[in-house]
Amino acid sequence: GESVGLHLPTLSVQEGDNSIINCAYSNSASDYFIWYKQESGKGPQFIIDIRSNMDKRQGQRVTVLLNKTVKHLSLQIAATQPGDSAVYFCAEIQGAQKLVFGQGTRLTINP
Amino acid sequence: GAVVSQHPSWVICKSGTSVKIECRSLDFQATTMFWYRQFPKQSLMLMATSNEGSKATYEQGVEKDKFLINHASLTLSTLTVTSAHPEDSSFYICSARDVGQGETQYFGPGTRLLVL
Repeated sequence: GESVGLHLPTLSVQEGDNSIINCAYSNSASDYFIWYKQESGKGPQFIIDIRSNMDKRQGQRVTVLLNKTVKHLSLQIAATQPGDSAVYFCAEIQGAQKLVFGQGTRLTINP
Repeated sequence: GAVVSQHPSWVICKSGTSVKIECRSLDFQATTMFWYRQFPKQSLMLMATSNEGSKATYEQGVEKDKFLINHASLTLSTLTVTSAHPEDSSFYICSARDVGQGETQYFGPGTRLLVL
């Protein structure tokens, strides 16, 4: 069936550098995507979302890019900080309201 | 922002007993709540969708008689794991949709269940 997946399971970056986390989706009809951050032992925290009628959306230190041609989604975190260490999930709304999560990327920050 | 709470945050029980987990939307009304299960180092898997005042819709492979869901009010949904077994040990997370905020789901902090 359709699925949302991630290219890399782990990502390690230097503190202060920019982080880019990628996600591929297979359902070309998907029109709403969300990035979540999950710290150890906690529930997912909403970071940013984007609809299919947009290519880019910016938040505070985060930018989401959507490439519908290749069905690819990315999350960019500027000036990565130790507090950004977490697992990041992309998620897709399928059907009326069903949220489907990708497998997740663990981001670790090197001092 | 919208806040969702879960209780308890963690629970240890003996095999064969039942465990109830509560999910509450604290500052908004949620006509729809969702229950997810997350095993270690894995993603969240949707178990069921709970609509206030009606029966829950379960995902394929999730036993409705084992995972009882009740959504009696706009701010409370409960998940009861009946006759729990060690393989039910997992991190259970709920989310809620704000009636006035479209598709956005707000997640609770999760409940860690350990069945001995």
